[in-house]
Amino acid sequence: EVQLVESGGGLVKPGGSLRLSCAASGFTFRSYCMNWVRQAPGKGLEWVSSISTDSTYIYYADSVKGRFTISRDNAKNSLSLQMNSLRAEDTAVYYCAKHLRRNTVEDAFDIWGQGTMVTVSS
Amino acid sequence: DIQMTQSPSSLSASVGDRVTITCQASQDISHYLNWYQQKPGKAPKLLIYDASNLETGVPSRFSGSGSGTDFTFTISSLQPEDIATYYCQQFEDLPFTFGPGTKVDIK
Repeated sequence: EVQLVESGGGLVKPGGSLRLSCAASGFTFRSYCMNWVRQAPGKGLEWVSSISTDSTYIYYADSVKGRFTISRDNAKNSLSLQMNSLRAEDTAVYYCAKHLRRNTVEDAFDIWGQGTMVTVSS
Repeated sequence: DIQMTQSPSSLSASVGDRVTITCQASQDISHYLNWYQQKPGKAPKLLIYDASNLETGVPSRFSGSGSGTDFTFTISSLQPEDIATYYCQQFEDLPFTFGPGTKVDIK
């Protein structure tokens, strides 16, 4: 079964850091670009970051650029998001999501994890 | 950035009704448009990709059409399990952007 499982969410103070992880299984992880998408409570979906298959190409939303770092370990079938200088407006459910097609940077997201909640509050 | 708008923001329809949602992009995105369904407390689910292609396993009552800047998502016969929020998303250019969503419920 194709599956993505996020972990690492929690409560953190403004200015703090948190590292999210996403464990992938059931597909050839190294062949697909991966993404983080977030959803603030009661709000819509916001793309956060994407990473190409070999980590050559990395993209961020302006709202997180310079504070968040996406990375992947193809040997361990895992995706990560290091979040620094967290702000209240970063409070959201964070989803990892897989691209539909192999080796394309721009694509639909066909598999999503269950999400992990990040709360930034003092 | 490419801005996405959707209408209506919410709708209420009867079981068996035909439901149509529109999505408009702020610039030409060709066919690079996807539709997702999100039920409360759940992750989004891909329904339609490339504007009109039905994702594997998705019921045929769901369909999509359009190109350029104007797109349509249709549920041909609304079912109780279709209660959800539906989002369009463009992937013509980064940053990928989503529409604000359309909440569908049963009348």
